[in-house]
Amino acid sequence: QKEVEQDPGPLSVPEGAIVSLNCTYSNSAFQYFMWYRQYSRKGPELLMYTYSSGNKEDGRFTAQVDKSSKYISLFIRDSQPSDSATYLCAMVYNNAGNMLTFGGGTRLMVKP
Amino acid sequence: EAQVTQNPRYLITVTGKKLTVTCSQNMNHEYMSWYRQDPGLGLRQIYYSMNVEATDKGDVPEGYKVSRKEKRNFPLILESPSPNQTSLYFCASSYGGGIDEQFFGPGTRLTVL
Repeated sequence: QKEVEQDPGPLSVPEGAIVSLNCTYSNSAFQYFMWYRQYSRKGPELLMYTYSSGNKEDGRFTAQVDKSSKYISLFIRDSQPSDSATYLCAMVYNNAGNMLTFGGGTRLMVKP
Repeated sequence: EAQVTQNPRYLITVTGKKLTVTCSQNMNHEYMSWYRQDPGLGLRQIYYSMNVEATDKGDVPEGYKVSRKEKRNFPLILESPSPNQTSLYFCASSYGGGIDEQFFGPGTRLTVL
């Protein structure tokens, strides 16, 4: 069993829809959680970062962490075709952690 | 422009022929790392380096070597490549470590025949 599980998709939604992307993890030692976005033929880029349970909002994006359930989510409101990409969750054990563990990524397609 | 560069971007080689993929960053970052990305497996960390002359294994280090002789460069060495190392490779750097924003290079598509 992988430490971090993510539905690979593809997830296809119409423009303007609310998108929910999720990751589950098995190791309760993970403390820091990130979402990266990867466009086709590009390297990933950081989208959101959080280290506590609860919600963190940035524009149309909301990251949610539930440490008790070992479950993190990324919500995208008013999705746009430009949001079409692969979304990867990533986790680190602690603030001295140097190893990142990534989920497999979910491919999202937002259709105009 | 702040960036991470990798060379080559594409490489086709044969089993057993030593190769090096270069990685360089111009952001004065302390931390650099290498990943491979495979369908269904996502990004897996190969090696990382916290500073010059300090390297550590990631999740999948077998068959790879790295060195960090200068702060800006972090080459990935495959001394005897095998077909199971066919993959998309990314180099990344950050200011302080894994919890800091990782800046990724454009990727190197490696095929080992």
